[in-house]
Amino acid sequence: NAGVTQTPKFQVLKTGQSMTLQCAQDMNHEYMSWYRQDPGMGLRLIHYSVGAGITDQGEVPNGYNVSRSTTEDFPLRLLSAAPSQTSVYFCASSYQGSSGNTIYFGEGSWLTVV
Amino acid sequence: AQTVTQSQPEMSVQEAETVTLSCTYDTSENNYYLFWYKQPPSRQMILVIRQEAYKQQNATENRFSVNFQKAAKSFSLKISDSQLGDTAMYFCAFMPHNNAGNMLTFGGGTRLMVKP
Repeated sequence: NAGVTQTPKFQVLKTGQSMTLQCAQDMNHEYMSWYRQDPGMGLRLIHYSVGAGITDQGEVPNGYNVSRSTTEDFPLRLLSAAPSQTSVYFCASSYQGSSGNTIYFGEGSWLTVV
Repeated sequence: AQTVTQSQPEMSVQEAETVTLSCTYDTSENNYYLFWYKQPPSRQMILVIRQEAYKQQNATENRFSVNFQKAAKSFSLKISDSQLGDTAMYFCAFMPHNNAGNMLTFGGGTRLMVKP
């Protein structure tokens, strides 16, 4: 049981480049979300999904794009990377009705934009 | 919208002693959940304890307990018999009860150092 798997774990991008952070879960969870964690701060919600084909914006969505074509996968796309997007990114998943009791987080993806 | 505030950026405690981490929140919701997460240097997010707002009894998990004051919108974490492995960032988090997506609002975190 792999849980929530994020790839890559580390990435360095140049300003203006695009890339996709991958997130996959094998628990058949309906809910998936992306957070970013900046130095010295808590996690902030970027985008979330309540099921395949359904996504919505969180607190800090600008510069990011998501889609959810399958239950298992929820990729996060950086359209044109900026230094302000240097952060650690976490993907999370949970099942509907869990009331937050079992929210599974990935191990994080460290992104540096130079 | 809700906000979560952790007013102690850093704290330290001697091994085997007790420490309390503070958290306050602001919300217009009546039913919600509160959480404490631990984030060790590995950056893994580990759920420490969860409180349901409609339950008056404070949650307890082994050495970890909370003091939940709903009227004051306060949710502190007490760690008893501190251990070196408790050294980590601790985040307080809020989630409304009827929350499609199980989305969390986090505080800024408290860095806890347990000293030998």
